Amino acid sequence: AQSVSQHNHHVILSEAASLELGCNYSYGGTVNLFWYVQYPGQHLQLLLKYFSGDPLVKGIKGFEAEFIKSKFSFNLRKPSVQWSDTAEYFCAVGDNAGKSTFGDGTTLTVKP
Amino acid sequence: DTAVSQTPKYLVTQMGNDKSIKCEQNLGHDTMYWYKQDSKKFLKIMFSYNNKELIINETVPNRFSPKSPDKAHLNLHINSLELGDSAVYFCASSSRYETSYEQYFGPGTRLTVT
Repeated sequence: AQSVSQHNHHVILSEAASLELGCNYSYGGTVNLFWYVQYPGQHLQLLLKYFSGDPLVKGIKGFEAEFIKSKFSFNLRKPSVQWSDTAEYFCAVGDNAGKSTFGDGTTLTVKP
Repeated sequence: DTAVSQTPKYLVTQMGNDKSIKCEQNLGHDTMYWYKQDSKKFLKIMFSYNNKELIINETVPNRFSPKSPDKAHLNLHINSLELGDSAVYFCASSSRYETSYEQYFGPGTRLTVT
């Protein structure tokens, strides 16, 4: 069975600060890894994904994530956050049968 | 062009009632899902259908019954609603022909049971 652990439940940053959200997964097979974002009152949207190739993945809005297989990690980073990045962030791991397991989410609050 | 749509957006009902939520996707995907997001924002998968066939059925009370009349639709029927069913229910879809199985989410249905 696959599982996902997000270490930070709530992160508060000032604008222009750098962001790193931790994500560790547990799964024995080939994984697909995702970060989704949920802005207040909205549905989940894909930020970025990894399924093969370059382990450093770039997504929308300046976000990137690095897949480190030896650490079973897929941490999300952004060098300079904006107030509009305030949202809930979910890491997810998917298997080849289409099932995705989501982490418990991290609430990011960016102070203007 | 709405990719994944759900109706209704809000649903307020009393305990004991039976209600349905509908989901439709126009992406041509073959797999659809129902998720429940509780007040703490935890997101848990409930069901998944692939080409109208149930493939994922997590530990969900029998009061919840999904129905997929075709691969573009996945409805959720809930019998004898309880207070603990209050949550936001998200529908999602994906395609097994997309290598990564990225999921596309609907806008959610906020269910409030009083």
